[in-house]
Amino acid sequence: GAVVSQHPSWVICKSGTSVKIECRSLDFQATTMFWYRQFPKQSLMLMATSNEGSKATYEQGVEKDKFLINHASLTLSTLTVTSAHPEDSSFYICSASRQMSNQPQHFGDGTRLSIL
Amino acid sequence: DQQVKQNSPSLSVQEGRISILNCDYTNSMFDYFLWYKKYPAEGPTFLISISSIKDKNEDGRFTVFLNKSAKHLSLHIVPSQPGDSAVYFCAASSSNTGKLIFGQGTTLQVKP
Repeated sequence: GAVVSQHPSWVICKSGTSVKIECRSLDFQATTMFWYRQFPKQSLMLMATSNEGSKATYEQGVEKDKFLINHASLTLSTLTVTSAHPEDSSFYICSASRQMSNQPQHFGDGTRLSIL
Repeated sequence: DQQVKQNSPSLSVQEGRISILNCDYTNSMFDYFLWYKKYPAEGPTFLISISSIKDKNEDGRFTVFLNKSAKHLSLHIVPSQPGDSAVYFCAASSSNTGKLIFGQGTTLQVKP
């Protein structure tokens, strides 16, 4: 089956640091990837849609300059949390799908980000 | 504006019995619905999906029912097993965006 790999799985860093999270589709070409954020005991909230070779589409309320997304190839999307602060601490999860519509998204195992 | 709602935060079922998880949605543009299973500190695992042109889809012990007029879907697990204990999320999308909107999740506990 489809496999999505996310790295790192856990990051602890100081306030003001920028953190890059990678999301790779391992056995299919992902024209579209998605980035989600989950707070404890809450649902997954879509942050942005990452399209290969074009700019990401951000959801309302998500700061583009804070959460930089790059989707330079069909197998890799990166999310960079710039100048992270404690309120950015969360569980970040990516997903990938082969097509835009009516195909299940397959998720990575997530990245636990803790900003001290 | 919660477009996808799972009104039961938790459900406890005896092993071997049926588990029924419910989900309601408000956006009539949704045409594809999915159920995911999730453990803590892991990404969701895809279970089963259904297109809006169908009202039932079955895969082994898992069956999803869709009632478009009521904007309601449900996941039936039968027979339930202790290994099914997890958080279950329903999600919906429309084919023109492909974006998934998730419900709040239901924690299922299957007791041996």
